[in-house]
Order: sequence, then structure tokens, then C-alpha cells
Amino acid sequence: DQQVKQNSPSLSVQEGRISILNCDYTNSMFDYFLWYKKYPAEGPTFLISISSIKDKNEDGRFTVFLNKSAKHLSLHIVPSQPGDSAVYFCAASAGAGSYQLTFGKGTKLSVIP
Amino acid sequence: EPEVTQTPSHQVTQMGQEVILRCVPISNHLYFYWYRQILGQKVEFLVSFYNNEISEKSEIFDDQFSVERPDGSNFTLKIRSTKLEDSAMYFCASTPLGVGPEAFFGQGTRLTVV
Repeated sequence: DQQVKQNSPSLSVQEGRISILNCDYTNSMFDYFLWYKKYPAEGPTFLISISSIKDKNEDGRFTVFLNKSAKHLSLHIVPSQPGDSAVYFCAASAGAGSYQLTFGKGTKLSVIP
Repeated sequence: EPEVTQTPSHQVTQMGQEVILRCVPISNHLYFYWYRQILGQKVEFLVSFYNNEISEKSEIFDDQFSVERPDGSNFTLKIRSTKLEDSAMYFCASTPLGVGPEAFFGQGTRLTVV
């Protein structure tokens, strides 16, 4: 039961270019979405989030876009840097007092110098 | 910068043995969680804890699992009788009150059941 789907297991991007990571969800109750970055042997690190009342949230090089009608969100990283190479997880929360996060399987981003 | 700390980083235990994983959440956070990630799979929610009681739990969190906040700083996950399929990375996380579900994760404990 994949309520949060990241269909690309990996992505390679040249340094300085844009990285676009995609995420789809099926549960209409999800109203808060988050992106985490994970390096090997470390825990997930929170990057950026977006509430369902917005369609865009920006923080430095990171921008998350939400298309509620398509149940789709994306994370844009501009410009991409070699240090961005990691596994990126999309996660969602159903709100209404629930802080439980449902994660996707992750996309491994490789930024090539 | 405050962080969630977990001990031990790696635990090897025999099948059927009890194991306790320990976590120190960020000091002013009020929600605490355990997640796990079986090798090659996604991160899965186990349980959330608020105001000294379980607020949510998943189907994974059966009677073999329990959580406790024995004092003002530690948060523990106990597995009473470990099974081979309990082998995974276990992540503790915490969230401050009133911010949203952004959880801050520890570095994880790798549990290997042999």
C-alpha cells in the first residue's frame, strides 16, 4: 500500500543545474508534505515542508511545489551542488492532530561535479 | 545546534532476547516518535508519544513493542522477544509543540537479530 510514491529511484544531475525530484500521493487526507534528505549511516534531515493551503514554498536553493488536484509535489534544487548528493524522501501527514509521517521509498540524487 | 541522540549506534542480539533502544530527544520538544527502516525499504512509522502516553501507533507496533519515558530526558523503545524480521535501522524523532509535523531525527540504531 504505497500512499506516497517516488517513482524515480535515482537521478543524476550536473553541478549547477536544476534537480527536480517528484512525489505522488494517493491519500486525500494528507494535508502537509515534507522533504527529508538522508546521507548513509545518518538519520533523515528535514529540508522543507508545505501545507496544502499553499502551492509553493521556498527556502534558499530549495523550492517545493504542490499540485493538489494532481496529488503531486516536487522538490527543486537550484543550483545543485555535489554536497546535495543524498537520498531524498518525500513524506506526508494527515493532519487533524496526527503527526505520523508516511514516507516514500526515496530518490537517490547524484550531483556530478 | 540541538539534536536527537540515540544509543547504541549498533546492537546485535539473539532471536528471542529483549532489547532496549534509547533516545534523548531535543530538550524543548514534546512529541516523540520511533520509526524504522528495513534494509532497502522505506522509513515506516511505529509509534508517537505525547504527554506521557502513546498518541498513535501503527500495525507494526504490536504487543512485542513498548515505549517509555522513564525520566525527563530519555525515551526508550523495548522489543520484548526479538525476531529476525525486527532487524532494521530504528530512528527516534521529536517535534516541538505547535509547529507542525516536522520531525527531527536521530542518527539511528542499527538492530541486527541473529
